[in-house]
Amino acid sequence: AQSVSQHNHHVILSEAASLELGCNYSYGGTVNLFWYVQYPGQHLQLLLKYFSGDPLVKGIKGFEAEFIKSKFSFNLRKPSVQWSDTAEYFCAVKGYGQNFVFGPGTRLSVLP
Amino acid sequence: GAGVSQSPRYKVAKRGQDVALRCDPISGHVSLFWYQQALGQGPEFLTYFQNEAQLDKSGLPSDRFFAERPEGSVSTLKIQRTQQEDSAVYLCASSPRTWDRDDGYTFGSGTRLTVV
Repeated sequence: AQSVSQHNHHVILSEAASLELGCNYSYGGTVNLFWYVQYPGQHLQLLLKYFSGDPLVKGIKGFEAEFIKSKFSFNLRKPSVQWSDTAEYFCAVKGYGQNFVFGPGTRLSVLP
Repeated sequence: GAGVSQSPRYKVAKRGQDVALRCDPISGHVSLFWYQQALGQGPEFLTYFQNEAQLDKSGLPSDRFFAERPEGSVSTLKIQRTQQEDSAVYLCASSPRTWDRDDGYTFGSGTRLTVV
């Protein structure tokens, strides 16, 4: 069965700090990988996704993620966070013909 | 509409009461999913529809949970005899493709169900 773990439950950063949120998954086959963001009071939105090709994926709002197959990881990064990045971030995996499996989420608080 | 619409946004039910949660997917979207998100957790899969056919209901936690999408558009998730552990946000998502095609979904804002 697929599973997703996220390294941090809650991350607190000051504005302009760099961000890295860890995500590891377990799955025996080929997977597609996703990061979703949920801003306070809003619905889940897709930040970025990886299907194949360049393992460094760029998404919206300056976010990027790197797929490292040997480590089963798909960490999310941003060089300089803003107060508006305060949100909950979910890593998700999807195997072929399978439904999405989400991680437990990481809450990011950015202090102004 | 432009997005996935869910109603009501909030529902408080007394234990033992039946509830019905509605999802209006994006027009023309083939796939519709229901997820349950407990407090402090990630969304967990409940069930999947491809048009009007319910192809997977393996995530429904008990036979008190029932979902339908009779005309392949609007879907209703019904929970009978609600219990406190049913308290969660129920998310609906839709996709223009069948679920074997890898893609991201469009999520609704969810219905927050509180059972008291």
